[in-house]
Amino acid sequence: GQNIDQPTEMTATEGAIVQINCTYQTSGFNGLFWYQQHAGEAPTFLSYNVLDGLEEKGRFSSFLSRSKGYSYLLLKELQMKDSASYLCAVVDTGGFKTIFGAGTRLFVKA
Amino acid sequence: GAGVSQSPRYKVTKRGQDVALRCDPISGHVSLYWYRQALGQGPEFLTYFNYEAQQDKSGLPNDRFSAERPEGSISTLTIQRTEQRDSAMYRCASGKLAGTYNEQFFGPGTRLTVL
Repeated sequence: GQNIDQPTEMTATEGAIVQINCTYQTSGFNGLFWYQQHAGEAPTFLSYNVLDGLEEKGRFSSFLSRSKGYSYLLLKELQMKDSASYLCAVVDTGGFKTIFGAGTRLFVKA
Repeated sequence: GAGVSQSPRYKVTKRGQDVALRCDPISGHVSLYWYRQALGQGPEFLTYFNYEAQQDKSGLPNDRFSAERPEGSISTLTIQRTEQRDSAMYRCASGKLAGTYNEQFFGPGTRLTVL
């Protein structure tokens, strides 16, 4: 079966660092995406990992371990505007079907 | 430049009616995806097009749902004989490339309510 697990909610303080974990069990794997979705808006792309290791992009980094079926998104120097849902998504074999997790709602407090 | 657009943004219909939801992808984008998103959940894959070819429709819930992209640009998702359980946000996304690494650009969605 296809399963992607993320924590439902997290709370962190402005200026801090937060790590959002994602574990997956899918029939195939052709890469993992992280998307950000503010309430009432469309998801927007944050990062893509297909090889093991860390990808860094400004305040955001994403890590992948294919052998463990595990990824995390690291957000540094948190800002209030980072309050949003963060969606982990796995691309299935064939490169078309993208399976999304339910998302992690992050609340950033002052 | 223009992003992905969808119309209508809101659709209210009665049970049993057919609805057609339209997606205008970013110009030149090869890939087009349709998703359904329930409140508080991630998008649920419905179908995928590479130009006009529907290469994966494994996520369409049943045969009341169909999609087309006849000229490789605009796409229509049609739901026949709508049921209350079809109420959801329907989103499309387009991608510049075909295949594995494909950042998806999402549209604003059509909120469908079936009474």
